[in-house]
Amino acid sequence: SQKIEQNSEALNIQEGKTATLTCNYTNYSPAYLQWYRQDPGRGPVFLLLIRENEKEKRKERLKVTFDTTLKQSLFHITASQPADSATYLCALGGGGYNKLIFGAGTRLAVHP
Amino acid sequence: DAGVIQSPRHEVTEMGQEVTLRCKPISGHDYLFWYRQTMMRGLELLIYFNNNVPIDDSGMPEDRFSAKMPNASFSTLKIQPSEPRDSAVYFCASSLTVLSLYEQYFGPGTRLTVT
Repeated sequence: SQKIEQNSEALNIQEGKTATLTCNYTNYSPAYLQWYRQDPGRGPVFLLLIRENEKEKRKERLKVTFDTTLKQSLFHITASQPADSATYLCALGGGGYNKLIFGAGTRLAVHP
Repeated sequence: DAGVIQSPRHEVTEMGQEVTLRCKPISGHDYLFWYRQTMMRGLELLIYFNNNVPIDDSGMPEDRFSAKMPNASFSTLKIQPSEPRDSAVYFCASSLTVLSLYEQYFGPGTRLTVT
């Protein structure tokens, strides 16, 4: 069955640095990959979508890469701020599955 | 638009009781999803609807769980009888299409505690 792995340990970084989160997957060839942000006590909020034929996508301080050979996506937040502290979820879809499969998420803490 | 609306936000019930969770999707969205989130299993899809019709309920854990969508603006997820292992946060989400081309909009969730 499909397996999605995100760093289970929290990522702690200093304000102003670039945060890099990893999403690895196996037994799956997704057509799309999405990243969501989830704050405590709230539902996930969509951030970015990247297709299998796209190498990189950017939105303001966010950048996502998608390497179908490595079966990996990297999510970068540049010039990080304490307000970026949250849990970030990757979700895979398409490729024969008409639904999103979510990773467990990685908690990011940005310290002043 | 107010976004996806869920009620109640918190529910505490005793084992064996019936629990009904409610959801109002974003107007114009054709797809509605019910998810369950726990620390152990993360965010799991339970069931989704297209134009009020259930399409995939393979994630529904057992017969104690049922979901309905009587019209485009309302859906319910019912657990009968409830068990302590059903304790989780239940999210409803809606989207324009299920093909992952469009993002899913999540509600605030219902935190269910079964004692």
